[in-house]
Amino acid sequence: DVKVTQSSRYLVKRTGEKVFLECVQDMDHENMFWYRQDPGLGLRLIYFSYDVKMKEKGDIPEGYSVSREKKERFSLILESASTNQTSMYLCATTKGQATYEQYFGPGTRLTVT
Amino acid sequence: GENVEQHPSTLSVQEGDSAVIKCTYSDSASNYFPWYKQELGKGPQLIIDIRSNVGEKKDQRIAVTLNKTAKHFSLHITETQPEDSAVYFCAATRRGGAQKLVFGQGTRLTINP
Repeated sequence: DVKVTQSSRYLVKRTGEKVFLECVQDMDHENMFWYRQDPGLGLRLIYFSYDVKMKEKGDIPEGYSVSREKKERFSLILESASTNQTSMYLCATTKGQATYEQYFGPGTRLTVT
Repeated sequence: GENVEQHPSTLSVQEGDSAVIKCTYSDSASNYFPWYKQELGKGPQLIIDIRSNVGEKKDQRIAVTLNKTAKHFSLHITETQPEDSAVYFCAATRRGGAQKLVFGQGTRLTINP
């Protein structure tokens, strides 16, 4: 079974702090994604990565950056956390070419006060 | 840009009855349409999917139908059970490859005993 783990289930940070969310997968998948989930808005793509050190902006990249130094690890960085970044953050992976099933981690609920 | 609209946002049905969730998509190039189920405290998980060359697909109590002309697809759950209570998301592929998806807003389904 594919396993996608996220470093924290719950996180509380202060406005202005730099925040790191980590995602690790154990199945050698090529693609990794970061989404945020908000009620009534569904899942919105922040960034995705299709290879080590390769990244592409999603629909809502403002205020976020990402890092993928190793294939199994994809980090989401909030450079200066703001209250409007309070949300559920979900990491997902797909195997690679021509396969579409996304495997999700359990999510990190981030609260910025 | 690409968009997926999902209705209803909440749905409550009696155990044993059927539930239907509908989605419409905007990009005529979309060719893959998955449905994800998110249980409390977990990440979304794929439950069924359909490709654009197929009109209907069934897996035990769940089925998905696709109307490419009208650009809409639906999830049907028959003989609902309490464990079907969850949030359901539809999605469609988007331009740009890498298995990127655009998700609907989500439907919270409650099965009443």
